[in-house]
Amino acid sequence: SAVISQKPSRDICQRGTSLTIQCQVDSQVTMMFWYRQQPGQSLTLIATANQGSEATYESGFVIDKFPISRPNLTFSTLTVSNMSPEDSSIYLCSVVEREVTGELFFGEGSRLTVL
Amino acid sequence: QKEVEQNSGPLSVPEGAIASLNCTYSDRGSQSFFWYRQYSGKSPELIMSIYSNGDKEDGRFTAQLNKASQYVSLLIRDSQPSDSATYLCAVNPRGSTLGRLYFGRGTQLTVWP
Repeated sequence: SAVISQKPSRDICQRGTSLTIQCQVDSQVTMMFWYRQQPGQSLTLIATANQGSEATYESGFVIDKFPISRPNLTFSTLTVSNMSPEDSSIYLCSVVEREVTGELFFGEGSRLTVL
Repeated sequence: QKEVEQNSGPLSVPEGAIASLNCTYSDRGSQSFFWYRQYSGKSPELIMSIYSNGDKEDGRFTAQLNKASQYVSLLIRDSQPSDSATYLCAVNPRGSTLGRLYFGRGTQLTVWP
């Protein structure tokens, strides 16, 4: 499967600041997604990162809070803006490599702690 | 509301036993079903995918799907301590694009030597 690299792997942030997470895939993929896993919770989809157009956000997530870029088929960024302690989570970049299966593969994740 | 329910556990089995993990889902039209394994502090790793009713086997893992009962399960035969992890069930509901998965909260499995 594709190698999905995320940076940073973890960070400690101050309330009110913003942080951008980068996701790099070693092959071109059409479908790229950003998920969140809050402490003790399961995974929730934030948005679909669309190449060349605006991301598609899930209910409860907005562009002002989680702006996403997808400049090409191998790279995406997620910014967590104006962070609060409730944003402390693991943020996961994920891709569907083969549309015939719909199997979703995850990067290593970025663990953010907001103080 | 698209819900995926799993017993949170913990499920504890001895080494060599069969571990049985269960998942139910609310959207009757769901098409694709996945099991992920997540070790503590790591990201989820895909174990199995299943799309049609019946059993699908891969090594020590067997996924079972019953769409009529809206039920999917994962059996792990000859369980090993290295299987100790949280197992996540995920569903791609009807009408959802690929990659838009709904996840259960996971079942924590412990395999003791």
